Amino acid sequence: DGGITQSPKYLFRKEGQNVTLSCEQNLNHDAMYWYRQDPGQGLRLIYYSQIVNDFQKGDIAEGYSVSREKKESFPLTVTSAQKNPTAFYLCASTSGGYTDTQYFGPGTRLTVL
Amino acid sequence: AQKVTQAQTEISVVEKEDVTLDCVYETRDTTYYLFWYKQPPSGELVFLIRRNSFDEQNEISGRYSWNFQKSTSSFNFTITASQVVDSAVYFCALSGDNFNKFYFGSGTKLNVKP
Repeated sequence: DGGITQSPKYLFRKEGQNVTLSCEQNLNHDAMYWYRQDPGQGLRLIYYSQIVNDFQKGDIAEGYSVSREKKESFPLTVTSAQKNPTAFYLCASTSGGYTDTQYFGPGTRLTVL
Repeated sequence: AQKVTQAQTEISVVEKEDVTLDCVYETRDTTYYLFWYKQPPSGELVFLIRRNSFDEQNEISGRYSWNFQKSTSSFNFTITASQVVDSAVYFCALSGDNFNKFYFGSGTKLNVKP
């Protein structure tokens, strides 16, 4: 079955630690995205990537970093510079154009202790 | 500027009632796409519909229907005979030819009570 997987589902981090959230897709999509969702709020774009080895900052990129070394993978690192990282993180992908539908993974819930 | 507004933060209905979720958008693009997603308590966003700016036909899929009106920049979503399983947060989204960015509304939480 084609789809997007995110791991882990739940992640706990101590303050001052970097953590990496995994996002993998087997849909052969070119574009991938990371969003942050806070309780009762909408989605805010962190980073997106249109092709391998290329990515752009979204609206709230500070304190986050990404890489896109493979088409199917787009990991997100939440660094210690992110002041309030506790949130629900969603990864998405499209086949590449704005006309295409964005499909989402199941999400990772990050809690900073 | 691109913007999606979902003015209804939360709606509560009793099962079998019809309910309409509002979505108003702003864009300068002549070609754009509108989407609706459902987010159940599990968290994953589930795609419901995509509509392009040149197709103003209303669409019906089972108990779901969508009303796209370019004149009022609205793309409203109606659930007929709501069911408890419809309880979720619903997001409206917009993408334009300034590529690859999708703009989401803040979501409407729908509570369907038995």
